[in-house]
Amino acid sequence: DVKVTQSSRYLVKRTGEKVFLECVQDMDHENMFWYRQDPGLGLRLIYFSYDVKMKEKGDIPEGYSVSREKKERFSLILESASTNQTSMYLCASSLGQGFGANVLTFGAGSRLTVL
Amino acid sequence: AQSVTQPDIHITVSEGASLELRCNYSYGATPYLFWYVQSPGQGLQLLLKYFSGDTLVQGIKGFEAEFKRSQSSFNLRKPSVHWSDAAEYFCAVVPSGGYQKVTFGTGTKLQVIP
Repeated sequence: DVKVTQSSRYLVKRTGEKVFLECVQDMDHENMFWYRQDPGLGLRLIYFSYDVKMKEKGDIPEGYSVSREKKERFSLILESASTNQTSMYLCASSLGQGFGANVLTFGAGSRLTVL
Repeated sequence: AQSVTQPDIHITVSEGASLELRCNYSYGATPYLFWYVQSPGQGLQLLLKYFSGDTLVQGIKGFEAEFKRSQSSFNLRKPSVHWSDAAEYFCAVVPSGGYQKVTFGTGTKLQVIP
């Protein structure tokens, strides 16, 4: 019954490394999102995509980029990881329009540690 | 500025006791309102949602929430808490009318003691 899958649950990377976080959904959702979760700050939107090859910046896009080459897959890229990017990263998806566009289905999260 | 506030960072209740988690929002018009739950090490799961209509909303796992326009609140309640309810709870808000960005509160961590 898996719907949103984040391939890496735990990652440890070194400062300056390029990091790819992958997310796949099997619900044929148009919208996909990447959030960052930090204690006391809740969830903050990094990027979202409403269609293949389309992307929009969220609240904290600096230091990140995204790729959406296929409808079901949305990747988050850290070009040069830094220690302040140590966090839990959550992928989510939703329908393209109507009330369902606002209802998010989340993956289990990817906990990234940058040393 | 539009915002959503969860004033309680951490709450402890005894198993079997009632629960109320607070959520207040600051938006110009009535937004769409949500509660999500996050179990340890997991992603978020939707508990319930309010778009319009009846202001008392029923959700999964025995939770309910009441929208009070006059207080700009959407508090989550459960009459009898179970140990498995220990988790972090997030209120979320979207401006009404089409799709717009979901804004999350900072979360309330619930501890359940025997």
